[in-house]
Amino acid sequence: NAGVTQTPKFQVLKTGQSMTLQCAQDMNHEYMSWYRQDPGMGLRLIHYSVGAGITDQGEVPNGYNVSRSTTEDFPLRLLSAAPSQTSVYFCASSYSGGRNEQFFGPGTRLTVL
Amino acid sequence: TQLLEQSPQFLSIQEGENLTVYCNSSSVFSSLQWYRQEPGEGPVLLVTVVTGGEVKKLKRLTFQFGDARKDSSLHITAAQPGDTGLYLCAGALGSGYALNFGKGTSLLVTP
Repeated sequence: NAGVTQTPKFQVLKTGQSMTLQCAQDMNHEYMSWYRQDPGMGLRLIHYSVGAGITDQGEVPNGYNVSRSTTEDFPLRLLSAAPSQTSVYFCASSYSGGRNEQFFGPGTRLTVL
Repeated sequence: TQLLEQSPQFLSIQEGENLTVYCNSSSVFSSLQWYRQEPGEGPVLLVTVVTGGEVKKLKRLTFQFGDARKDSSLHITAAQPGDTGLYLCAGALGSGYALNFGKGTSLLVTP
């Protein structure tokens, strides 16, 4: 099993550009999440999904969109990137029958100029 | 608002020393998890504690959940350079989905 995979590993954008961060998991987990990690701020939840077709907002959802068309994939879209979105983004999955223990991907380091 | 406060924020010790990291809150958690993150990688789950007063051991790491389920501690015995990393605690409130993460404790163990 590959676990949780994320692409790209690194990305540089200009203000106003759009992009999609990809996330996939092969563990058949129902739950998937996106976090951002900033120095001194810890991990903050952006959006999450409890199953295909179901998404909800986390603590810091503004500026980000998500969709969940399949169990495996949970892409994160930045429609108009801003410097404040410079961060490291982590995708995670978990199974519904547990204590929401998160399996994290390797992360995407995004810089917005 | 940060629900979970971790201390210390940074810790630099020599190989063989013991250390304790704390995770405190005024909220009651249904469960609490500890993760370890190495530079350039995602966090990896170490343990989940559920019952107040619960103690779990993972080799040289001992995790404790407070009796009131508001706090937790991680004790490392005879630290090794391989223990270097960022230690994160995360708590679940009730039956809700979201985990509340602490800001982490950055540990450096030098030979």
